Amino acid sequence: GDSVTQMEGPVTLSEEACLTINCTYTATGYPSLFWYVQYPGEGLQLLLKATKADDKGSNKGFEATYRKETTSFHLEKGSVQVSDSAVYFCALSDYNQGGKLIFGQGTELSVKP
Amino acid sequence: DGGITQSPKYLFRKEGQNVTLSCEQNLNHDAMYWYRQDPGQGLRLIYYSQIVNDFQKGDIAEGYSVSREKKESFPLTVTSAQKNPTAFYLCASRPDRKQQDTQNFGPGTRLLVL
Repeated sequence: GDSVTQMEGPVTLSEEACLTINCTYTATGYPSLFWYVQYPGEGLQLLLKATKADDKGSNKGFEATYRKETTSFHLEKGSVQVSDSAVYFCALSDYNQGGKLIFGQGTELSVKP
Repeated sequence: DGGITQSPKYLFRKEGQNVTLSCEQNLNHDAMYWYRQDPGQGLRLIYYSQIVNDFQKGDIAEGYSVSREKKESFPLTVTSAQKNPTAFYLCASRPDRKQQDTQNFGPGTRLLVL
């Protein structure tokens, strides 16, 4: 079945460092891809999405490009802030299964001042 | 403001007890979902519903039950058959249209066993 694998954490960076969180997927169809962010004790918030190959999603300085040839959707940010500290989840949607989301295991990011 | 509310924020269950988690949305979304989150793991789908009075099992439905009597409400019951219920439970919704595949999430309910 479809699956998502993302880079293990925790990831610890200094403020203004560059961030990359790797995400790869396997899917039989053509899913949409998402990055969600979860702050401590809260639900998930959509960070960005891409619906087809070569689409780039972007929001709040974060970017990710839907790469069909490498089945990847890596999350990047050029300069992280302390406020970016959170858990990041990569996910894909399967419309043929009721639109359910399939998640990676999450990557915890900690940014130090 | 439209959104998803979940209550309570924390819930305690005794041995052999059934407990019900509430999920309400005022987004007029057709589809609703329940996910379970365990530490260090991604979210796993428990149940989902695409229309009132209909719902489907997800990947880990055993020990759980749901109902969908109203479009805006999708309560989840954790039964005594669920032997390891301690987790963070998240409810989500989305419009049931092919191009509308983004799910909105509620704030979650943390269930603890006494």
